Amino acid sequence: DAGVIQSPRHEVTEMGQEVTLRCKPISGHDYLFWYRQTMMRGLELLIYFNNNVPIDDSGMPEDRFSAKMPNASFSTLKIQPSEPRDSAVYFCASLGTGGSYEQYFGPGTRLTVT
Amino acid sequence: AQRVTQPEKLLSVFKGAPVELKCNYSYSGSPELFWYVQYSRQRLQLLLRHISRESIKGFTADLNKGETSFHLKKPFAQEEDSAMYYCALGRGSTLGRLYFGRGTQLTVWP
Repeated sequence: DAGVIQSPRHEVTEMGQEVTLRCKPISGHDYLFWYRQTMMRGLELLIYFNNNVPIDDSGMPEDRFSAKMPNASFSTLKIQPSEPRDSAVYFCASLGTGGSYEQYFGPGTRLTVT
Repeated sequence: AQRVTQPEKLLSVFKGAPVELKCNYSYSGSPELFWYVQYSRQRLQLLLRHISRESIKGFTADLNKGETSFHLKKPFAQEEDSAMYYCALGRGSTLGRLYFGRGTQLTVWP
């Protein structure tokens, strides 16, 4: 397995534009997490899914952020409209059940909003 | 409510010196504690978990329930240990979800 796959790896966009980040979890994993990493706030959980259903989206900053998981192998995080303060590294992670808490992280998407 | 605190945002030591990255938690139940590591420009990966009681890359961490701590230690730091380290807590009622601390950036000088 190639592990968790994220695309794009880097995204530079202008303020006000829509940004879509993509994630493919490890096959067979039924949990998917979206995190945001910044120097100021560290690693923040934005939202997580179990069996494609959103379980906790309390970390989503505001209505400009939305996430979907239409099937077990794909998830998107969308920011519309984007703002400079959204600049961060966004990580996706997946987890398989079986008593383990080991989350497997993707390589991240580095987002820069100018 | 649960919380994970890593009091040091930055930590610097010289090669060969002992290093301790602090982690304190607050949780009334039985926690599961983890250390994740992120090397420069790489993805986060699990370093060790308290239930395994193992040593990975020379690092160990002991869960101290009395002090609610899970400090990460290594007797002789190496330059390749330079990385961001995150302490994380899992709890049984929210299977799968981890609560991360803010991280400690460790720099090991030659």
